[in-house]
Amino acid sequence: DAEITQSPRHKITETGRQVTLACHQTWNHNNMFWYRQDLGHGLRLIHYSYGVHDTNKGEVSDGYSVSRSNTEDLPLTLESAASSQTSVYFCASRQGASTGELFFGEGSRLTVL
Amino acid sequence: DQQVKQNSPSLSVQEGRISILNCDYTNSMFDYFLWYKKYPAEGPTFLISISSIKDKNEDGRFTVFLNKSAKHLSLHIVPSQPGDSAVYFCAASGSTQGGSEKLVFGKGTKLTVNP
Repeated sequence: DAEITQSPRHKITETGRQVTLACHQTWNHNNMFWYRQDLGHGLRLIHYSYGVHDTNKGEVSDGYSVSRSNTEDLPLTLESAASSQTSVYFCASRQGASTGELFFGEGSRLTVL
Repeated sequence: DQQVKQNSPSLSVQEGRISILNCDYTNSMFDYFLWYKKYPAEGPTFLISISSIKDKNEDGRFTVFLNKSAKHLSLHIVPSQPGDSAVYFCAASGSTQGGSEKLVFGKGTKLTVNP
Protein backbone atom coordinates (compact mmCIF):
# COMPACT_ATOMS: atom_id res chain seq x y z
CA ASP A 1 0.00 0.00 0.00
CA ALA A 2 1.13 3.52 -0.75
CA GLU A 3 1.98 5.57 2.30
CA ILE A 4 3.68 8.59 3.74
CA THR A 5 6.35 8.10 6.38
CA GLN A 6 8.24 10.47 8.62
CA SER A 7 11.51 9.96 10.46
CA PRO A 8 12.57 10.20 13.12
CA ARG A 9 9.34 9.93 15.08
CA HIS A 10 10.98 11.42 18.14
CA LYS A 11 14.10 13.54 18.45
CA ILE A 12 15.76 15.54 21.19
CA THR A 13 18.41 18.06 20.20
CA GLU A 14 20.21 21.06 21.57
CA THR A 15 19.81 24.72 20.72
CA GLY A 16 21.90 25.70 17.73
CA ARG A 17 22.14 22.23 16.20
CA GLN A 18 21.03 21.51 12.66
CA VAL A 19 18.16 19.05 12.43
CA THR A 20 16.59 17.39 9.42
CA LEU A 21 13.21 15.68 9.49
CA ALA A 22 12.56 13.28 6.65
CA CYS A 23 9.31 12.79 4.78
CA HIS A 24 8.80 10.13 2.13
CA GLN A 25 5.62 9.34 0.19
CA THR A 26 4.99 6.54 -2.24
CA TRP A 27 1.84 7.88 -3.89
CA ASN A 28 3.79 9.90 -6.47
CA HIS A 29 1.94 13.00 -5.30
CA ASN A 30 3.07 16.35 -6.70
CA ASN A 31 2.13 18.43 -3.68
CA MET A 32 3.86 18.06 -0.34
CA PHE A 33 3.50 20.13 2.81
CA TRP A 34 5.07 20.54 6.23
CA TYR A 35 2.95 21.65 9.18
CA ARG A 36 3.70 22.09 12.84
CA GLN A 37 1.16 21.51 15.56
CA ASP A 38 1.28 23.47 18.78
CA LEU A 39 -1.19 23.80 21.62
CA GLY A 40 -3.41 26.78 20.99
CA HIS A 41 -2.28 27.16 17.39
CA GLY A 42 -3.56 24.12 15.59
CA LEU A 43 -1.76 23.17 12.39
CA ARG A 44 0.39 25.88 10.82
CA LEU A 45 1.99 25.63 7.40
CA ILE A 46 5.80 25.85 7.33
CA HIS A 47 6.79 25.10 3.73
CA TYR A 48 5.24 23.43 0.74
CA SER A 49 6.15 22.17 -2.69
CA TYR A 50 4.12 21.69 -5.86
CA GLY A 51 6.71 19.57 -7.60
CA VAL A 52 10.38 18.77 -8.07
CA HIS A 53 12.62 21.79 -7.50
CA ASP A 54 9.63 23.87 -6.39
CA THR A 55 9.50 25.15 -2.79
CA ASN A 56 7.40 27.84 -1.15
CA LYS A 57 7.20 29.49 2.23
CA GLY A 58 4.23 29.04 4.48
CA GLU A 59 3.03 31.19 7.34
CA VAL A 60 5.76 30.13 9.82
CA SER A 61 8.78 29.50 7.60
CA ASP A 62 11.46 31.44 9.52
CA GLY A 63 14.23 29.12 10.68
CA TYR A 64 13.19 26.29 8.37
CA SER A 65 14.11 25.21 4.86
CA VAL A 66 13.06 22.45 2.48
CA SER A 67 14.34 21.01 -0.75
CA ARG A 68 12.58 18.87 -3.37
CA SER A 69 15.03 16.88 -5.48
CA ASN A 70 12.56 14.14 -6.34
CA THR A 71 8.83 13.50 -6.18
CA GLU A 72 8.91 11.22 -3.14
CA ASP A 73 10.83 13.26 -0.57
CA LEU A 74 10.54 16.65 1.11
CA PRO A 75 13.04 16.91 3.98
CA LEU A 76 12.58 19.74 6.47
CA THR A 77 15.75 21.30 7.87
CA LEU A 78 16.10 23.45 10.94
CA GLU A 79 19.35 25.28 10.30
CA SER A 80 19.95 26.25 13.93
CA ALA A 81 17.37 24.75 16.24
CA ALA A 82 15.69 27.03 18.79
CA SER A 83 13.55 26.15 21.78
CA SER A 84 10.60 27.81 20.04
CA GLN A 85 10.82 25.06 17.43
CA THR A 86 9.91 22.39 19.94
CA SER A 87 6.77 21.00 18.36
CA VAL A 88 5.14 18.11 16.57
CA TYR A 89 5.80 18.23 12.85
CA PHE A 90 3.52 16.71 10.23
CA CYS A 91 4.29 16.06 6.62
CA ALA A 92 1.41 15.74 4.16
CA SER A 93 0.89 15.13 0.48
CA ARG A 94 -1.81 15.51 -2.13
CA GLN A 95 -1.89 14.75 -5.82
CA GLY A 96 -2.75 18.16 -7.11
CA ALA A 97 -6.29 19.41 -7.13
CA SER A 98 -7.17 21.68 -4.25
CA THR A 99 -10.23 19.54 -3.70
CA GLY A 100 -8.18 16.44 -3.14
CA GLU A 101 -7.66 14.82 0.20
CA LEU A 102 -4.48 15.68 2.07
CA PHE A 103 -2.73 12.61 3.49
CA PHE A 104 -0.68 13.09 6.65
CA GLY A 105 2.24 11.23 8.10
CA GLU A 106 2.23 10.15 11.72
CA GLY A 107 4.26 13.08 12.91
CA SER A 108 7.74 13.80 14.28
CA ARG A 109 8.00 15.09 17.82
CA LEU A 110 11.01 17.41 18.16
CA THR A 111 12.30 18.71 21.48
CA VAL A 112 14.93 21.44 21.47
CA LEU A 113 16.72 21.83 24.81
CA ASP B 1 -4.99 37.10 11.36
CA GLN B 2 -6.73 33.76 11.62
CA GLN B 3 -8.58 32.87 8.45
CA VAL B 4 -10.18 29.73 9.86
CA LYS B 5 -11.54 29.89 13.37
CA GLN B 6 -12.73 27.17 15.68
CA ASN B 7 -13.83 29.09 18.72
CA SER B 8 -14.59 26.12 20.95
CA PRO B 9 -11.40 24.44 22.15
CA SER B 10 -13.36 21.56 23.60
CA LEU B 11 -16.75 19.89 23.54
CA SER B 12 -18.17 17.12 25.69
CA VAL B 13 -21.27 15.10 24.76
CA GLN B 14 -22.99 11.93 25.87
CA GLU B 15 -22.81 8.79 23.80
CA GLY B 16 -25.77 8.58 21.42
CA ARG B 17 -26.37 12.32 21.34
CA ILE B 18 -25.48 14.77 18.59
CA SER B 19 -22.08 16.47 18.46
CA ILE B 20 -21.94 19.80 16.66
CA LEU B 21 -18.55 21.29 15.90
CA ASN B 22 -18.41 24.79 14.46
CA CYS B 23 -16.00 26.63 12.21
CA ASP B 24 -15.93 30.17 10.83
CA TYR B 25 -13.79 31.54 8.05
CA THR B 26 -12.97 35.03 6.90
CA ASN B 27 -11.48 34.59 3.44
CA SER B 28 -14.20 34.79 0.79
CA MET B 29 -11.83 33.12 -1.69
CA PHE B 30 -12.13 29.81 0.13
CA ASP B 31 -14.27 27.42 -1.87
CA TYR B 32 -13.50 24.01 -0.45
CA PHE B 33 -13.76 22.93 3.14
CA LEU B 34 -12.66 19.83 4.96
CA TRP B 35 -12.79 18.27 8.38
CA TYR B 36 -9.92 16.23 9.74
CA LYS B 37 -9.90 14.03 12.80
CA LYS B 38 -6.81 13.47 14.93
CA TYR B 39 -6.13 10.91 17.61
CA PRO B 40 -3.19 11.37 20.01
CA ALA B 41 0.19 10.35 18.58
CA GLU B 42 -1.26 9.95 15.08
CA GLY B 43 -1.46 12.15 12.03
CA PRO B 44 -4.72 13.85 11.09
CA THR B 45 -7.02 11.81 8.89
CA PHE B 46 -9.56 13.10 6.42
CA LEU B 47 -13.17 12.87 7.55
CA ILE B 48 -15.48 14.74 5.20
CA SER B 49 -15.43 17.69 2.82
CA ILE B 50 -17.77 20.10 1.11
CA SER B 51 -17.50 22.31 -1.94
CA SER B 52 -18.83 25.83 -1.87
CA ILE B 53 -21.41 24.93 -4.50
CA LYS B 54 -23.15 22.75 -1.94
CA ASP B 55 -24.67 23.51 1.43
CA LYS B 56 -24.68 19.99 2.83
CA ASN B 57 -22.68 16.81 2.50
CA GLU B 58 -23.44 13.62 4.35
CA ASP B 59 -21.37 10.50 4.95
CA GLY B 60 -22.86 8.02 7.35
CA ARG B 61 -23.01 9.54 10.82
CA PHE B 62 -21.16 12.66 9.67
CA THR B 63 -22.77 15.66 8.00
CA VAL B 64 -21.14 18.94 7.13
CA PHE B 65 -23.24 22.06 6.61
CA LEU B 66 -21.98 25.16 4.85
CA ASN B 67 -23.51 28.63 5.16
CA LYS B 68 -21.61 30.76 2.69
CA SER B 69 -23.35 34.01 3.52
CA ALA B 70 -22.36 33.62 7.16
CA LYS B 71 -18.96 32.12 6.29
CA HIS B 72 -19.74 29.31 8.67
CA LEU B 73 -19.62 25.56 8.55
CA SER B 74 -20.47 22.90 11.04
CA LEU B 75 -19.86 19.19 11.48
CA HIS B 76 -22.67 17.09 12.93
CA ILE B 77 -22.01 13.64 14.30
CA VAL B 78 -25.12 11.58 14.97
CA PRO B 79 -25.14 9.46 17.01
CA SER B 80 -21.89 10.22 18.79
CA GLN B 81 -19.76 7.28 19.87
CA PRO B 82 -16.86 7.07 22.36
CA GLY B 83 -14.54 6.26 19.45
CA ASP B 84 -15.32 9.69 18.03
CA SER B 85 -13.34 11.27 20.88
CA ALA B 86 -10.53 13.12 19.11
CA VAL B 87 -9.42 16.55 18.02
CA TYR B 88 -11.30 17.82 14.98
CA PHE B 89 -9.71 20.32 12.64
CA CYS B 90 -11.60 22.45 10.19
CA ALA B 91 -9.65 23.36 7.05
CA ALA B 92 -10.24 25.49 3.98
CA SER B 93 -8.63 26.02 0.62
CA GLY B 94 -9.20 28.26 -2.33
CA SER B 95 -8.69 26.79 -5.74
CA THR B 96 -8.99 30.27 -7.16
CA GLN B 97 -6.18 31.72 -5.05
CA GLY B 98 -3.86 32.01 -8.01
CA GLY B 99 -3.61 28.28 -8.17
CA SER B 100 -2.87 28.02 -4.49
CA GLU B 101 -3.61 24.59 -3.12
CA LYS B 102 -2.71 25.20 0.49
CA LEU B 103 -4.98 24.11 3.25
CA VAL B 104 -5.50 26.56 6.08
CA PHE B 105 -6.43 24.90 9.37
CA GLY B 106 -8.29 26.05 12.43
CA LYS B 107 -6.92 25.48 15.92
CA GLY B 108 -9.02 22.38 16.47
CA THR B 109 -11.81 21.31 18.84
CA LYS B 110 -11.27 18.45 21.23
CA LEU B 111 -14.39 16.28 21.31
CA THR B 112 -14.99 13.95 24.22
CA VAL B 113 -17.86 11.48 23.96
CA ASN B 114 -18.75 10.08 27.36
CA PRO B 115 -20.15 6.53 27.61
